[in-house]
Amino acid sequence: QQQVKQSPQSLIVQKGGISIINCAYENTAFDYFPWYQQFPGKGPALLIAIRPDVSEKKEGRFTISFNKSAKQFSLHIMDSQPGDSATYFCAASLRAQKLVFGQGTRLTINP
Amino acid sequence: DVKVTQSSRYLVKRTGEKVFLECVQDMDHENMFWYRQDPGLGLRLIYFSYDVKMKEKGDIPEGYSVSREKKERFSLILESASTNQTSMYLCASSSRGAGLTDTQYFGPGTRLTVL
Repeated sequence: QQQVKQSPQSLIVQKGGISIINCAYENTAFDYFPWYQQFPGKGPALLIAIRPDVSEKKEGRFTISFNKSAKQFSLHIMDSQPGDSATYFCAASLRAQKLVFGQGTRLTINP
Repeated sequence: DVKVTQSSRYLVKRTGEKVFLECVQDMDHENMFWYRQDPGLGLRLIYFSYDVKMKEKGDIPEGYSVSREKKERFSLILESASTNQTSMYLCASSSRGAGLTDTQYFGPGTRLTVL
């Protein structure tokens, strides 16, 4: 019930393409869904986050799409750039309690 | 600029040794966390603390303990290191503003190898 399942484990996208990473959860009471980005040799850093009262949130080239009925949310990276190559983690939490992270996706953008 | 520092980037220890991982944050954050990161398993919470001298078990506390004597410092202790504790260890901190889900700021990690 507390798990967040993330896919794919790794993803290769051509420069300029759209990168899509998906996450699914079981606990319908989760109320906060952040995405963290981690570059090699660095700790993760918050990229973008959404609450379930909206279906989409966009910040620059990064968009979270949220489907409450399907219990799924996804990260879309438009016009993907080599500098976006990193590991991405989705997460979820309930009533401001601890975050539950997905398994991570290693994204590679080929130039 | 916010900063979370961890005492070592790389550490090699022998089975049975006592291991201390130190984390210091300079943001006056109330909450501090220890995670381990393993390929295919994501980040798993070991322990967290929401105040000085307070600690709470996370999802995988077995084999670990923690200490928080000062607000800025949170230590992770492996009482008797085992090979299955070989991993990347990440420390994070956050303010109390939005409970435990306020933005977490991570350190660069300590890669621990237990031989």
